[in-house]
Amino acid sequence: AQTVTQSQPEMSVQEAETVTLSCTYDTSESDYYLFWYKQPPSRQMILVIRQEAYKQQNATENRFSVNFQKAAKSFSLKISDSQLGDAAMYFCAYRDDTNTGNQFYFGTGTSLTVIP
Amino acid sequence: DTEVTQTPKHLVMGMTNKKSLKCEQHMGHRAMYWYKQKAKKPPELMFVYSYEKLSINESVPSRFSPECPNSSLLNLHLHALQPEDSALYLCASSQDRGLSWGNGEQYFGPGTRLTVT
Repeated sequence: AQTVTQSQPEMSVQEAETVTLSCTYDTSESDYYLFWYKQPPSRQMILVIRQEAYKQQNATENRFSVNFQKAAKSFSLKISDSQLGDAAMYFCAYRDDTNTGNQFYFGTGTSLTVIP
Repeated sequence: DTEVTQTPKHLVMGMTNKKSLKCEQHMGHRAMYWYKQKAKKPPELMFVYSYEKLSINESVPSRFSPECPNSSLLNLHLHALQPEDSALYLCASSQDRGLSWGNGEQYFGPGTRLTVT
C-alpha cells in the first residue's frame, strides 16, 4: 500500500514569517494526486492545495505553495506571511488511479502553532 | 455547491442505543466515505462507496453498518457501541476514479462528535 510520511509532529512559526512542512510518500505509480489539507481546532477539514503528479510546475495558492520533487517523492508545503488563522493540523494526502483509487492515504499530520 | 453536510453535529449515546449518522452532498460525486478521527490524528478510513455500492470496508466491526440509499446520501447506523468508539466521524465525497477525476480532491463534512457512555 502507498504510504505518506510527515516527520514533523509539531511546528511553530512567528506571525508574518515563513514555515515549511515536510511530506514524503512511497508509490510505484506514475499518475497520482497529492494534497495538503488543513484542520483547525474543532473545525472542518479543508483543502489547502493540490498537485497533479504529471505537472512539473509547483502549485501555488496565495500564501501557500508546494515544492514537489517527483523523483525524490517529496511534497513540502510552504506557508508565507503566516497568520494566526493558519494554526491548525496539516495533513498531507495521496490518491492514485489504481484499483483502490477511491482511497486517500493520509500522513500522520503536523500541528502548526503560530506565535503572535 | 461544494458542501458536504452531516447530522447531527453532536451525539451522546449509551452502549445499548441504536442511532444513525447522516451525510449529504449535491456535487454529483459518486464516491462517498466514512472516516473515524481521534484528536490530533489523521482520519482513519472505515468505508468507501462507489456508485452506491460498498467498495471498501476496512475491517470495521459489525456494530457500524453503512448504507448508501442514493447517490447523494450516506448513512452510518450505530448499535451496541463501546466507549472506545467515541470519536469524530467524518463523511467525505469525491469524484469517482472511474470518471475524469475532476480535481481529484475529497470534500469533507464538519463531522459528528460521538460520545459513547
